[in-house]
Amino acid sequence: DAGVIQSPRHEVTEMGQEVTLRCKPISGHDYLFWYRQTMMRGLELLIYFNNNVPIDDSGMPEDRFSAKMPNASFSTLKIQPSEPRDSAVYFCASSLALNYEQYFGPGTRLTVT
Amino acid sequence: ELKVEQNPLFLSMQEGKNYTIYCNYSTTSDRLYWYRQDPGKSLESLFVLLSNGAVKQEGRLMASLDTKARLSTLHITAAVHDLSATYFCAVPIYNFNKFYFGSGTKLNVKP
Repeated sequence: DAGVIQSPRHEVTEMGQEVTLRCKPISGHDYLFWYRQTMMRGLELLIYFNNNVPIDDSGMPEDRFSAKMPNASFSTLKIQPSEPRDSAVYFCASSLALNYEQYFGPGTRLTVT
Repeated sequence: ELKVEQNPLFLSMQEGKNYTIYCNYSTTSDRLYWYRQDPGKSLESLFVLLSNGAVKQEGRLMASLDTKARLSTLHITAAVHDLSATYFCAVPIYNFNKFYFGSGTKLNVKP
């Protein structure tokens, strides 16, 4: 398996623009997680899905953030409108079960100017 | 309050020295994971500890789990520069239906 795939790897955008990050989990994994990592706040869980259904979105910072998982092999994290404070590395991870090892994608480095 | 705490958060050590990183968690769990993150890279799984008393070793790193004490240790033996990275512990907490990561320990091994 190719592992968790994320795109794009780098994104630079201007404040106010819409940003969409994409993730393809490992085939057969029922859980998908979105994380954000910054120097100030460390690694934060934003939302996770089980069998394409959002289970816990309590980590989503505000309404500007939304996530979807239309099928078992694809998820998006959207920020609209983006702000400079959204600049971070966003990781997607997947696992077979909630208490199983998570496999992380390479991350998307987002810069909002 | 639910916590997964690592200490120290920063560790600077000389090559050849030994040291231990600690991970405490505040509620019941039966397993624990250790991850490594190199600068600018993603997180990679290091150890999977699935039961009380579990011990895993790879090279100069050894991890152990005491579920009764809610404590895991990551021991570094005769550190080398290549071990410089950030190490995270992670715990699934069933009562809260969540998977919690510690804050990470940034290790710098000086040549």
